Amino acid sequence: DGGITQSPKYLFRKEGQNVTLSCEQNLNHDAMYWYRQDPGQGLRLIYYSQIVNDFQKGDIAEGYSVSREKKESFPLTVTSAQKNPTAFYLCASKEAGGFETQYFGPGTRLLVL
Amino acid sequence: SQQGEEDPQALSIQEGENATMNCSYKTSINNLQWYRQNSGRGLVHLILIRSNEREKHSGRLRVTLDTSKKSSSLLITASRAADTASYFCATDAGDSGGSNYKLTFGKGTLLTVNP
Repeated sequence: DGGITQSPKYLFRKEGQNVTLSCEQNLNHDAMYWYRQDPGQGLRLIYYSQIVNDFQKGDIAEGYSVSREKKESFPLTVTSAQKNPTAFYLCASKEAGGFETQYFGPGTRLLVL
Repeated sequence: SQQGEEDPQALSIQEGENATMNCSYKTSINNLQWYRQNSGRGLVHLILIRSNEREKHSGRLRVTLDTSKKSSSLLITASRAADTASYFCATDAGDSGGSNYKLTFGKGTLLTVNP
């Protein structure tokens, strides 16, 4: 899992509640990514950030929000607008420039109560 | 958005046999990568092959790329029980780069290696 940590490992959300998933990296990577993985499915991109204080929507950004105030941190908030939040959430990071490999954290499993 | 599609969805073999997984994609790419995911864990990068390469090796892994067919294959030789995992191909769009760099993942092949 490299130098990327995600917390918590499991997270429970009540109806109408916003929850925030943490992602921290000590790899000095500029780019960070959030993916959602549903059972038996591939990864779908939620948001990504190439530099501090800047981020772009991915393919399924609705119901999610992010911030990138520090290079090493890229928290993801699952808002109450996300009606089907139960999934496995993966954070990844990548060096800037021509290095294409992404390094993944261990993931957070979000369940709805 | 473009997406790699792996084939087969699931593969079960005996230890010592070879495992071959295929990936097809839709549009031009700069490179194609293969990742591995153990159950309930994050993904681990295995190998990257660039669009101007046709074959690449890394230990027991062999990857081929046919850009004319928009397809790639991952071969794991002399498989071990520890190779049991899901394997994903990931492509970057040919027009992405710099600040717009992102990968698109397929749905994966679940490989089970029986002891």
